[in-house]
Amino acid sequence: QVQLQESGPGLVKPSETLSLTCAVSGYSISSGYYWGWIRQPPGKGLEWIGSIYHSGTTHYNPSLKSRVTMSVDTSKNQFSLKLTSVSVADTAVYHCARQDSYYESGNYYPYNWFDPWGQGTLVTVSS
Amino acid sequence: QTVVTQEPSFSVSPGGTVTLTCGLSSGSVSTSYFPSWYQQTPGQAPRTLIYSTNTPSSGVPDRFSGSILGNKAALTITGAQADDESDYYCMLYMGSGISVFGGGTKLTVL
Repeated sequence: QVQLQESGPGLVKPSETLSLTCAVSGYSISSGYYWGWIRQPPGKGLEWIGSIYHSGTTHYNPSLKSRVTMSVDTSKNQFSLKLTSVSVADTAVYHCARQDSYYESGNYYPYNWFDPWGQGTLVTVSS
Repeated sequence: QTVVTQEPSFSVSPGGTVTLTCGLSSGSVSTSYFPSWYQQTPGQAPRTLIYSTNTPSSGVPDRFSGSILGNKAALTITGAQADDESDYYCMLYMGSGISVFGGGTKLTVL
């Protein structure tokens, strides 16, 4: 079955860049779907960060767009997240997940469900 | 900016029925928002329950169902069990590739 596993540093200093990778097994990223990042600050709710297609097309949460970059490496079957200029407010469990997609006017867009989800990785922003 | 609203908390008796809702700070939720619902227990990844308003994800017990009730999306649990005690999140598709989660509902079964 499809499995996703997040990896990356668990501690990042304020103002630095958070970098995470999500390794996908059981499914080829190149076969379709979007691939997304969702985070959850301790004791709080879920927040969609962004999603990427295997072509490299991205869609980001408008509130994070200026600090987020996502990329995909189809040869390694993984995708990545970079979040710049982090602060303590970026402390959260970061999940990756597969997302449904639809085709319209020559483009694919992410929408609808996230499934499955990675277990998540806690990233703490602290000096 | 549109906010997706959920009840912060709800309680249900074992065997009872509960309906959680997912609304918008401005406007009505319709099937065009492709509501999806997720269950999360502490320390675990979210589990997909319902998508496209009322389609159950694989392996989800049939006591979970989704619908549109009035101007909101709804998740109904019929015959609640102790292990349904979890946080429940809805997510709406806003168009142009943008998805927004609700703040979540903490469901207590007692």
